[in-house]
Amino acid sequence: DQQVKQNSPSLSVQEGRISILNCDYTNSMFDYFLWYKKYPAEGPTFLISISSIKDKNEDGRFTVFLNKSAKHLSLHIVPSQPGDSAVYFCAASAIKRDDKIIFGKGTRLHILP
Amino acid sequence: GAGVSQSPSNKVTEKGKDVELRCDPISGHTALYWYRQSLGQGLEFLIYFQGNSAPDKSGLPSDRFSAERTGGSVSTLTIQRTQQEDSAVYLCASSTLLGTGTNSPLHFGNGTRLTVT
Repeated sequence: DQQVKQNSPSLSVQEGRISILNCDYTNSMFDYFLWYKKYPAEGPTFLISISSIKDKNEDGRFTVFLNKSAKHLSLHIVPSQPGDSAVYFCAASAIKRDDKIIFGKGTRLHILP
Repeated sequence: GAGVSQSPSNKVTEKGKDVELRCDPISGHTALYWYRQSLGQGLEFLIYFQGNSAPDKSGLPSDRFSAERTGGSVSTLTIQRTQQEDSAVYLCASSTLLGTGTNSPLHFGNGTRLTVT
């Protein structure tokens, strides 16, 4: 049973436009959500996180939105740059239960020149 | 370096052999995680340690897989009698407890690419 779902395996966006990556989750106990970015042959690197007490967190070009009622979160990147081309993983955990972090299958983002 | 270090970076082994994968976490990080990524798949949780104990081993695929952590630092993931479906990138990550009582985001190593022939 996949608790964290990224339904789009890939996404192509023009350089300079907004990239929107989506993620859905099923476990209502999740209270902490993260986005990671991964380049080939490297480990994932942390991008941004959000606690369930918030609905938005912004860090530079990256903004994460959380809709708890829909069990949905999204990552917005604006403006998109060539270096943003990578695989993006959504992750979630139940911090209050000191639970493990569950990752989605990832979305490959291509930034087009 | 100050990051998570994994060795070897690549391992090719014959079906049926045992392999050991090593992870050196960031110094002082109390939590250590093992994940694997098979071709075209996401990050599959295997096991995590708080200190030397493993509160959650639920992700280990079979009893051929085991992991240990000693001295609250280095961890080894052992796969016995390897099978071709064990071929994947095995990723280790560590984190530390923040003052808020939550863990910092995971810091990943570059992984070990295991190929079972």
